[in-house]
Formats: sequence, C-alpha cells, structure tokens
Amino acid sequence: DADVTQTPRNRITKTGKRIMLECSQTKGHDRMYWYRQDPGLGLRLIYYSFDVKDINKGEISDGYSVSRQAQAKFSLSLESAIPNQTALYFCATSDLGHNQETQYFGPGTRLLVL
Amino acid sequence: QQQVKQSPQSLIVQKGGISIINCAYENTAFDYFPWYQQFPGKGPALLIAIRPDVSEKKEGRFTISFNKSAKQFSLHIMDSQPGDSATYFCAARGATGANNLFFGTGTRLTVIP
Repeated sequence: DADVTQTPRNRITKTGKRIMLECSQTKGHDRMYWYRQDPGLGLRLIYYSFDVKDINKGEISDGYSVSRQAQAKFSLSLESAIPNQTALYFCATSDLGHNQETQYFGPGTRLLVL
Repeated sequence: QQQVKQSPQSLIVQKGGISIINCAYENTAFDYFPWYQQFPGKGPALLIAIRPDVSEKKEGRFTISFNKSAKQFSLHIMDSQPGDSATYFCAARGATGANNLFFGTGTRLTVIP
C-alpha cells in the first residue's frame, strides 16, 4: 500500500462543493485507475488512464472528472458533490509489462457528502 | 447490471474449516479471474488468480476452482485461520486489452477460533 498513496484519507463535504481526491504512486506504473466501493456493490470503475495523455471512462463516470498530471499522479474530482457520492474511493495502478494484470490499490479515501 | 455475481455476502467458519466463496459470470469474453483480499482500513490486494484454460489453481491454502462451461469459479480456503478474516472479492477481466476488472459484490469472511 505504501507505493500507492491517497490524500486525504477521510473527507467530509457538503452538497454542491467541489472536491478533489489525489493519488500518487512510486511504482513506476503507467496505468492508473479510480474505483468507488459501496456496501453490497463491490468496487466499480470510475475512470482509468494508460498514460499522461490517455483518459478513459469506466462504468460510472457521470458526476466525476479526472486529471493525469504526471505518470505518478492521478486526481479524481467531484465538480458538485451529492450525497449519493458518499463512498470509499480507491486508486489503483498496474504495469504494462509482464505482470500487467495485477492491480495495486491504495489505502482508500472515505468520503462523506452531507 | 452486475457482471460478476458473488455469494455468499457473509460467511462464518470455524478455525480449521473450509471457506468456500462462489462467483458466476455471463460474459464469455472474460479472460482472467483474480481474487482480491481486503482487510479493514486497507485497499484490496491480489490473493490468487486463474485463466480460463485451467480448471484449478492452488497456492498454499488457497485454491481457485474454475468451471468454464458453467461460467463459475470459486475460492476455497483450506484450514481457515482467524487471520483470514477479511472481505474477499472475485473479479473478471474483459479481453479488450484495457485490463479493466469487473468486481463481485464481496464476501465478508469471519473465522472464529
């Protein structure tokens, strides 16, 4: 987990506020992902990026945007937070090489939207 | 629509017993089936994975059984230990090169001493 860090770890915000969750990795991986985890729903992919110039929507991208500032940094933004975006958010990375299938997850950000 | 269906939602097993978690899928294009283990306050971590060209993979006390014709796969934890208490997610990857995973809904396993 230490190779993939997420900030903040916990955040409380109000409906309508803009919020950014940040992810950094020291693994040197090209691929980065954002997931949200909800009880009873598992993990669902929000966005993913294969390199700095590549951004792709996942299953549930509505209401979210991302920015890949560098190979090591991938940020998730909620432009106008709403209560049903309350969830646990995970960043993950994977390599392009031999072990590309394994995704390495950060420790998560717990977000509460009031 | 859940691409990977997982059961049971929760499981309580005695120490030394066998824990079994089941998953099913519909998309025959899936080409890689990992299991992730998540402890409280941590992110998921890869536990074991299998490809559809084999029917079983074993790593220590953990075994994946894969039934391609039934489109089902399961995780067996032999000699379950209290330290195995965690949430387990099955997943499947689409064969599009994107390496995107579709996760099951998770199983919370509790191993009691």
